[in-house]
Amino acid sequence: NAGVTQTPKFQVLKTGQSMTLQCAQDMNHEYMSWYRQDPGMGLRLIHYSVGAGITDQGEVPNGYNVSRSTTEDFPLRLLSAAPSQTSVYFCASSYSGQPPERPLHFGNGTRLTVT
Amino acid sequence: AQSVTQLGSHVSVSEGALVLLRCNYSSSVPPYLFWYVQYPNQGLQLLLKYTSAATLVKGINGFEAEFKKSETSFHLTKPSAHMSDAAEYFCAVSDIDNNGNEKLTFGTGTRLTIIP
Repeated sequence: NAGVTQTPKFQVLKTGQSMTLQCAQDMNHEYMSWYRQDPGMGLRLIHYSVGAGITDQGEVPNGYNVSRSTTEDFPLRLLSAAPSQTSVYFCASSYSGQPPERPLHFGNGTRLTVT
Repeated sequence: AQSVTQLGSHVSVSEGALVLLRCNYSSSVPPYLFWYVQYPNQGLQLLLKYTSAATLVKGINGFEAEFKKSETSFHLTKPSAHMSDAAEYFCAVSDIDNNGNEKLTFGTGTRLTIIP
């Protein structure tokens, strides 16, 4: 059981470049989300999805796009990378339809540096 | 909106000593509260959760947390620290966003160092 798989683990981009961070889960979770982790700021929600074909913005969505064409995959796209997007990105998933106490299952993160 | 505040971004304890990591919440309704742990170069994993069933919650690896409504606190404790407890710990509260969907709001984290 792989859980939540994120690729790549590390990435360096130049300002203005685009890329897609991949996230896949094999637990049949309906809910998937992207967080960024910055020192002293904890984790902040970028985008999330409550099921295939449905996405919503989180706390810090600017500069990022997402789509959810399948239950398993939830890619995060940076259309024009900026140094402010240097961060560690985490994908997380959970069952939907449960009370709020459902736990999130996290991937191991993608460390992105934008120069 | 719900929020959590973690007091102390860094905590150091000696091996075998008590671990106490502090978390206070602000919530207008009974909250669902969580502690997550992040080991180096890994994602977060759930330590324990409070869902109003019992005020003292036991989690994995000997950790526990007590919900105190009068103090709006949910502090994490472990009686005897082990070297393997060195990690970053995040308190989180379940919240509802502007779209009416649930989300988790995380604190800024506390890095725990264990002194041999």
